[in-house]
Amino acid sequence: DQQVKQNSPSLSVQEGRISILNCDYTNSMFDYFLWYKKYPAEGPTFLISISSIKDKNEDGRFTVFLNKSAKHLSLHIVPSQPGDSAVYFCAASQSGTYKYIFGTGTRLKVLA
Amino acid sequence: DVKVTQSSRYLVKRTGEKVFLECVQDMDHENMFWYRQDPGLGLRLIYFSYDVKMKEKGDIPEGYSVSREKKERFSLILESASTNQTSMYLCASSLFVSGGRTEAFFGQGTRLTVV
Repeated sequence: DQQVKQNSPSLSVQEGRISILNCDYTNSMFDYFLWYKKYPAEGPTFLISISSIKDKNEDGRFTVFLNKSAKHLSLHIVPSQPGDSAVYFCAASQSGTYKYIFGTGTRLKVLA
Repeated sequence: DVKVTQSSRYLVKRTGEKVFLECVQDMDHENMFWYRQDPGLGLRLIYFSYDVKMKEKGDIPEGYSVSREKKERFSLILESASTNQTSMYLCASSLFVSGGRTEAFFGQGTRLTVV
């Protein structure tokens, strides 16, 4: 049972445009959400997070939006750069537990 | 900077061998994790540990065990390697924060091939 879903396996965007990566979850007890970026043959690196008490968090070119009623979060990258080409994973966790549940990932390709 | 170091980048082992994957973190984190990454399946949690000598099963613990004798070190053991354990293995650590709102830091990964 996949509790965190990324339904788009891949996405291509022109350099300078907006990239929007989506993530859905099923467990309403999740209260902390994270996005990670992963290059081939490297470990994931943390990008940005959001607590369930917020609906938006921004860090430079990266903004994460959370819609609790829809159990949906999205990552916006503006403007997209070729170096953003990577696999992006969303993850969720629940207070009182230690673990992070990851989605299946979306491969972003930013075209120069 | 937090550093999570996995002992090998690439490993090739034979079916039936006992395999040890080692992970060390240098930031005094309480929590440590082992995930595996497979195409189309994302990152799946094998085991995690929230303290020395404490461990809990993740979503896919079958065929694996773990050891945490020291706070900074978390080992993943494949008792008898099989070809379906060929994968990218990722170790991570995180700080215990009341309420659990903190990120995990990952190592560079170990690409294990079982032949």
